[in-house]
Amino acid sequence: EAGVTQFPSHSVIEKGQTVTLRCDPISGHDNLYWYRRVMGKEIKFLLHFVKESKQDESGMPNNRFLAERTGGTYSTLKVQPAELEDSGVYFCASSSWTSEYEQYFGPGTRLTVT
Amino acid sequence: QQQVKQSPQSLIVQKGGISIINCAYENTAFDYFPWYQQFPGKGPALLIAIRPDVSEKKEGRFTISFNKSAKQFSLHIMDSQPGDSATYFCAASSTGGYQKVTFGTGTKLQVIP
Repeated sequence: EAGVTQFPSHSVIEKGQTVTLRCDPISGHDNLYWYRRVMGKEIKFLLHFVKESKQDESGMPNNRFLAERTGGTYSTLKVQPAELEDSGVYFCASSSWTSEYEQYFGPGTRLTVT
Repeated sequence: QQQVKQSPQSLIVQKGGISIINCAYENTAFDYFPWYQQFPGKGPALLIAIRPDVSEKKEGRFTISFNKSAKQFSLHIMDSQPGDSATYFCAASSTGGYQKVTFGTGTKLQVIP
C-alpha cells in the first residue's frame, strides 16, 4: 500500500510569488490534514478535509492560503502571495474512518520564501 | 499558547541506556496521546499511543507512562539503539470532536555507540 505522497519535496520561491503544494493521501482515506512546521517550533495544524469538505480550517494563518480537495482525492494548498514567514515544512496526513485517530504523514514539502 | 509542552529539546544517550522524554498538556479535553518518530527527510510516523484510562502502555522497547491528575505523560525507550536516533514528538488530540493533532516542539534524540 502506497503511503501519503507530497509534491514537490522542496520549493524555493521569492516573496510575492505563488506556490501550490500537492498531497495524495493513502487510497481510501477520507480524512486529509495539512500541518506546518516552522523552523524550531512545533508542528501546527492548518486544516482538515473529510472527503471534499473542509471540516476544520481553524489553523489556516490568513486568506493567502487556499486549500482544495476536489473530488475527495488529492489536495492542493496554494499560497498566494507568499511571504517570508510562510517558510517551513508543510506536512499532509490522512486517516481512515476505521482508525481515524491514526494519522499517516507524508514526507513533507520544504518551502523556502526568499 | 503552547498546549503541549515537551522536554528536553535534545537528548544524548549511550547505546543500551534509557531515553526519557517528558510532556505536559493543559487541555483536559485531550483524550488521545500519540508519540511520533521522525527521521530526517521523512514525515512523522506514529510510534505508540495511549488513552487516559490506562497509566502505562508498552510496545517492545517503547513505553508510555501517563499521569492523568498531573496532566503529564512520558516516553521511555529502553535499551536505546543508534537506530533510535530521530526526533520524537509527543502529541494530543480530542476524540470527541475534530481529530486535529496538537504537537509538542520535538526532542532530537541521539544514541551514541
